[in-house]
Amino acid sequence: AQSVSQHNHHVILSEAASLELGCNYSYGGTVNLFWYVQYPGQHLQLLLKYFSGDPLVKGIKGFEAEFIKSKFSFNLRKPSVQWSDTAEYFCAVFNSGFSGGYNKLIFGAGTRLAVHP
Amino acid sequence: DGGITQSPKYLFRKEGQNVTLSCEQNLNHDAMYWYRQDPGQGLRLIYYSQIVNDFQKGDIAEGYSVSREKKESFPLTVTSAQKNPTAFYLCASSIGQGHPSYNEQFFGPGTRLTVL
Repeated sequence: AQSVSQHNHHVILSEAASLELGCNYSYGGTVNLFWYVQYPGQHLQLLLKYFSGDPLVKGIKGFEAEFIKSKFSFNLRKPSVQWSDTAEYFCAVFNSGFSGGYNKLIFGAGTRLAVHP
Repeated sequence: DGGITQSPKYLFRKEGQNVTLSCEQNLNHDAMYWYRQDPGQGLRLIYYSQIVNDFQKGDIAEGYSVSREKKESFPLTVTSAQKNPTAFYLCASSIGQGHPSYNEQFFGPGTRLTVL
C-alpha cells in the first residue's frame, strides 16, 4: 500500500534556527506533493505544492520544499523559524491508481513543531 | 467569503447514539471529503463524493454514513456501530476531476467529537 512517512513527530527549535522536516513516500508513479499546516485552533491550510517543473517549490511564509524523485522525498525547509511557525505540519501525496479509479490524497502522520522565543 | 463551514465545533455524544456532523461549502466545488484526524496518525479518509448524489467509501468507512443531496452539503453521520468515534473530523472540498487543480483540497475548521 502507498504510504507517506514523516520522520519527526515532534520538533523543538529556538527562533532563528533553521528547519527541515522530512517526508518520504512509497508511490513510484507520477505524484503531486503537498505540505499542509495546521496552526493552533485554525483550519488545515496549504503551505505549498508540487505538480511538475522546478523541483524546488516556494510556498507561503518563507517555506520551501524540494522534490527529489530518486529519493522519493519532499522535505520542507525554512532558513529561520519564528515563534508564529509553531504548528503541526502534514506532508501529503496525491496518489493515482486507487482501486475504483479514484485518485486520493494520502497524508503523513504529521510533525508538531514548537518554536521557542 | 468563500469557504467551508463545519458545525458544531465541539460535540459530545453518549455511547449508543448516532450523531450528524455538518459540512457546507460555498466554493462551488464538485468534490467533498470527510477525514478523521487522530494524534500521531495524520488524516484518514472516511468517505468522499465526486458529484451530487454519489459517494464512495474511503479507508475507514465502517460505522459512518454520508449523503450528498446538494452540491454544497456533505453531512457525516457517526453511528453507534463506530467502535472508537472520539476524534477530530475534518471536511474538505476540491474543484473536481477534469480541472488542473482538482487534487488540491480545501479544509474546514473541523468538529471535535467526544463520546462520553
